[in-house]
Amino acid sequence: DIVMTQSPDSLAVSLGERATINCKSSQSVLHSSTHKNHFAWYQQKPGQPPKLLIYWASTRVSGVPDRFSGSGSGTDFTLTISSLQAEDVAVYYCQQFYSAPRTFGPGTRVDIK
Amino acid sequence: QVQLQESGPGLVKPSETLSLTCTVSGASISSSPYYWGWIRQPPGKGLEWIGTISYSGTTYYNPSLESRVTISIDTSKDQFSLKLTSVTATDTAVYYCARQGSGWPNDYWGQGTLVTVSS
Repeated sequence: DIVMTQSPDSLAVSLGERATINCKSSQSVLHSSTHKNHFAWYQQKPGQPPKLLIYWASTRVSGVPDRFSGSGSGTDFTLTISSLQAEDVAVYYCQQFYSAPRTFGPGTRVDIK
Repeated sequence: QVQLQESGPGLVKPSETLSLTCTVSGASISSSPYYWGWIRQPPGKGLEWIGTISYSGTTYYNPSLESRVTISIDTSKDQFSLKLTSVTATDTAVYYCARQGSGWPNDYWGQGTLVTVSS
């Protein structure tokens, strides 16, 4: 199985400030034929299912605010919230869909400082 | 808009079988190239991918659960189902159904249903 790790476990950021979450996979999730990273970011608020934010490492889902951006390739990825809003308080998970079983990172909790 | 809804018992006794159904609306479950699957989340913990099925019945299971899991599909009803046998307290979790594809993430999710394993 591909192991996903995230850092930090949690962070608190002031409103309007930048939040950065890192994720690392135990092996590359870059698909050789498509040149796409089979990697996604999800946001989960209490009592709700995870919501897909970003896929292929950097493609934002339609309707997701552009303050959310993803970067990285291979084994190292980053989710950046450029200007944290109150509604962004949530747990963020990374996921690889390169191989079965699909695996998730342990999550990073984002709060307001 | 694709919608998924889980249904099934919220309480299962230890050693018995957990059975859940996911009903899909807004899209045909037979629509290639999508797969339909299950993901669970123990209370206060992270996400675990259980497995997935295609419209033609091809399945992929998490090896950690493979000996106890069966996912089936009923295209006539736009439903797919999960059976997990010999459950223990560690199977207590919110169970989500979700859509995925080959090289495609889990884009649509149900609201989830809490299943508690307890006598």
